[in-house]
Amino acid sequence: TAGITQAPTSQILAAGRSMTLRCTQDMRHNAMYWYRQDLGLGLRLIHYSNTAGTTGKGEVPDGYSVSRANTDDFPLTLASAVPSQTSVYFCASSEGFWANVLTFGAGSRLTVL
Amino acid sequence: DAKTTQPPSMDCAEGRAANLPCNHSTISGNEYVYWYRQIHSQGPQYIIHGLKNNETNEMASLIITEDRKSSTLILPHATLRDTAVYYCIVRVLDQGGKLIFGQGTELSVKP
Repeated sequence: TAGITQAPTSQILAAGRSMTLRCTQDMRHNAMYWYRQDLGLGLRLIHYSNTAGTTGKGEVPDGYSVSRANTDDFPLTLASAVPSQTSVYFCASSEGFWANVLTFGAGSRLTVL
Repeated sequence: DAKTTQPPSMDCAEGRAANLPCNHSTISGNEYVYWYRQIHSQGPQYIIHGLKNNETNEMASLIITEDRKSSTLILPHATLRDTAVYYCIVRVLDQGGKLIFGQGTELSVKP
């Protein structure tokens, strides 16, 4: 089934360690996004990419970096994890940045201790 | 930001229509209203969107008031599998068009 694959599904990470959350889509969508979801705060946009080779900051970009070397992959990196980055992370994509329909992955649950 | 207000929770009997309200009184003329839902801890799923006119698809209907300050998502025949958190979202065009998710309405469909 076409869609978005996120890995890992869940991870426990020691504070100060680095971590990369992987996201791959097979729909040839131009735009990709990373959201985090926290209880009581809904989903918040971390970073986005309009097309391969470009990235932009969302609402809560601090402590995270992304890259978009090709159309299919959009990894999210935490260079030095902190406990406040404990969250569920969702990757999403759309045909274009102004497209109406976002397809979301199943999420990656990250716990930073 | 054009913000949305939704009731935190609602119940609906199985087989009946579920009507989920949303207020977006600060919406601008060119901003769309989107509805997504999230089942358990899965990723959000797109349902429907609209600008001014009422819209219908295989999942739901969207009724937008004439002044565009509120809308209602209608699930015509709710099933147990429709139990989810439903998000009403206004796409903010002056901030790169990103989707701002609010708290949503937790819909419980009961037998």
